[in-house]
Amino acid sequence: QSVLTQPPSVSGAPGQRVTISCTGSSSNIGASYNVHWYQQVPGTAPKLLIYGTTNRPSGVPARFSGSRSGTSASLAITGLQAEDEADYYCQSYDSSLSGSNVFGTGTKVTVL
Amino acid sequence: QVQLHESGPGLVKPSDTMSLTCTVSGGSIGHYYWTWIRQSPGKGLEWIGHIYDSGSTKYNPSLKSRVTISVGTSRSQFSLKLTSVSAADTAVYYCARGYHASGSYFDLWGQGTLVTVSS
Repeated sequence: QSVLTQPPSVSGAPGQRVTISCTGSSSNIGASYNVHWYQQVPGTAPKLLIYGTTNRPSGVPARFSGSRSGTSASLAITGLQAEDEADYYCQSYDSSLSGSNVFGTGTKVTVL
Repeated sequence: QVQLHESGPGLVKPSDTMSLTCTVSGGSIGHYYWTWIRQSPGKGLEWIGHIYDSGSTKYNPSLKSRVTISVGTSRSQFSLKLTSVSAADTAVYYCARGYHASGSYFDLWGQGTLVTVSS
């Protein structure tokens, strides 16, 4: 049972803007731990998309952006493209119990 | 260019011990948090644990009693051992590179290896 909740699916037409939420609590996102985002095309390993809540690794298009507010974080994809169809996961750290890295439940992005 | 590659048996019997190895090519194990992550079929990602260059480890509390992560003598490999496996441990197992003890991101991943627990 993940402590970070994401919507199971979001969809949009090419060129549109979509956002994916990642809802946590006071022991993870709300405690100001960094949030990271990964893109996973089925059958392949996850790829780092956003690190440190808002930073893009080299090579990741600028249409991907991250933000945080309170106990939630969001990933926005502006100018949706067909190649963005994939699963997306958020990740943070949870300080409850003995502490652990935690992933979100995952969101399937469909390009209509 | 550093690459990671997981290897190990694809089929393990219930109650047995599963052992996987991650080979770090193009570099060596130094000053990073070498991590194991798994993904059950059709499910999300689960952090298993990590080992730092110095040998210090941290494990997911839900798996801690069954997990051991260690560095190989060649220092270009690290390993995962999971005891008393059950069908619930069937998953694709990934090794990855992290930068911090708590809340690190993982910028480098292996391609993953599927481990099925079945008699």
